[in-house]
Amino acid sequence: HSALTQPASVSASPGQSITISCAGTSSDVGAYNYVSWYQQHPGKAPKLLIYEVTNRPSGVSNRFSASKSGDTASLTISGLQAEDEADYYCRSYTTSSTYVFGTGTRVTVL
Amino acid sequence: QVQLVESGGGVVQPGRSLRLSCAGSGFTFSTYVMHWVRQAPGKGLEWVAVISYDGIHKYYGDSVKGRFTISRDNSKNTLFLQMNSLRPDDTAVYYCMSVHSDNDYWGQGTLVTVSS
Repeated sequence: HSALTQPASVSASPGQSITISCAGTSSDVGAYNYVSWYQQHPGKAPKLLIYEVTNRPSGVSNRFSASKSGDTASLTISGLQAEDEADYYCRSYTTSSTYVFGTGTRVTVL
Repeated sequence: QVQLVESGGGVVQPGRSLRLSCAGSGFTFSTYVMHWVRQAPGKGLEWVAVISYDGIHKYYGDSVKGRFTISRDNSKNTLFLQMNSLRPDDTAVYYCMSVHSDNDYWGQGTLVTVSS
């Protein structure tokens, strides 16, 4: 399974909303509702933002939301804040019982 | 609280082997699926391997299949990654990850450098 496709970078001003796409195939994103999203700040371990397509772990801001349509998942960050500047990755379970990450998206707050 | 601590990283020559460990605490280790994930310097996350709670089912990423082996010792709350035939492109920070029903937990990572 090839890496899921994400835009390399997205930028916006504070307070605005952004959406990051995660394009896969019918063998991964499109096959199951097992898509997760992670945020990673430099030098830190990734942090889970979303699991099973739309669910937020306890403590994750409701400014983060996600969805899926067909073979593409999306993460939306509303009310962008300076601390949201980080790398974001999607991850999907696959029909081979393996997992695959997205290529990663660098979010810049202007 | 849940804690995962990786160890065993270091500098190794191409073709040699290395064994990573991940000690879990603060949760019932034997009931959770465990993963290894790696990140090459300046690059994205790459999923490496997963093992079922009982150690029976194991799956690997294509780039490590046949060279790496994931295992666990539930009596010692420890996850392992045996890495053989190491290559320079295996250079990365290796993270262990525990998947719970409503959250993931990650260790701080251990750096493996494959270089002559």
